[in-house]
Amino acid sequence: KQEVTQIPAALSVPEGENLVLNCSFTDSAIYNLQWFRQDPGKGLTSLLLIQSSQREQTSGRLNASLDKSSGRSTLYIAASQPGDSATYLCAVAGGSQGNLIFGKGTKLSVKP
Amino acid sequence: ETGVTQTPRHLVMGMTNKKSLKCEQHLGHNAMYWYKQSAKKPLELMFVYSLEERVENNSVPSRFSPECPNSSHLFLHLHTLQPEDSALYLCASSQDPAGESPLHFGNGTRLTVT
Repeated sequence: KQEVTQIPAALSVPEGENLVLNCSFTDSAIYNLQWFRQDPGKGLTSLLLIQSSQREQTSGRLNASLDKSSGRSTLYIAASQPGDSATYLCAVAGGSQGNLIFGKGTKLSVKP
Repeated sequence: ETGVTQTPRHLVMGMTNKKSLKCEQHLGHNAMYWYKQSAKKPLELMFVYSLEERVENNSVPSRFSPECPNSSHLFLHLHTLQPEDSALYLCASSQDPAGESPLHFGNGTRLTVT
C-alpha cells in the first residue's frame, strides 16, 4: 500500500531564504508526482507535476525534483516571500485510476 | 466563470438531515473526483467519475451517494451522517482519469454534522 510522508510538518523561515520541502513515498511504481499548495479554508492549487520519466520540473521560483528509485521528491522554493505561506502537499499517482495518494503536508510560514 | 466551483461553501446539518453538495467544472475535463479532508489526516479519495461513469469507490459508506449527470457536474448526496463525517469535502477535475494530468480543485464545502 502506497504511503506518502512529508517532512517537516511545519516550517518557519524569514523572508528571502531558500528552502526545501521533502516528500517520500514507499512504492516507486508511480505515474507521476504532483505538488500542491493549499491556503487556509481553500482548495488545492496544482504547482508542479513531474511525470515518472522526468527528473525535475520548474515554474518560476519553484523547482521540484523526483528520484523514483529512492522514493523521494523535493520542492525547492527560492527567495521565499510572505505570500508563499501556505500548506504544501505532495501526492503520487499510481495504481487504480485517478487515485492520488497524498501526504499530510508541510505548513510553511514565511516571516516578513 | 472558470475553474471548479463548489456550493455551498459551508453546511451544518443534523444526523437525520438529507443534503447535497454540488460541484461544477468549466474546464472541459473528462474526470471528476470527490475527496475528503479531515483534520490531521491526508486527503482521502472518495469517488472518481470518468465520462460520467464511476470508476472508483474507495469503500465509502453508503450514507454518501455520488451522482454525475454530465461531465461538468458532480453531486454528493448526504443522508444520516455521523459527527465524524464533519470535514472539508473537495471536488476536483482533470483532463483524464488515469492520474496523468494535473488535478484542479474547488474551494471545498466545510461540512459540520451536529
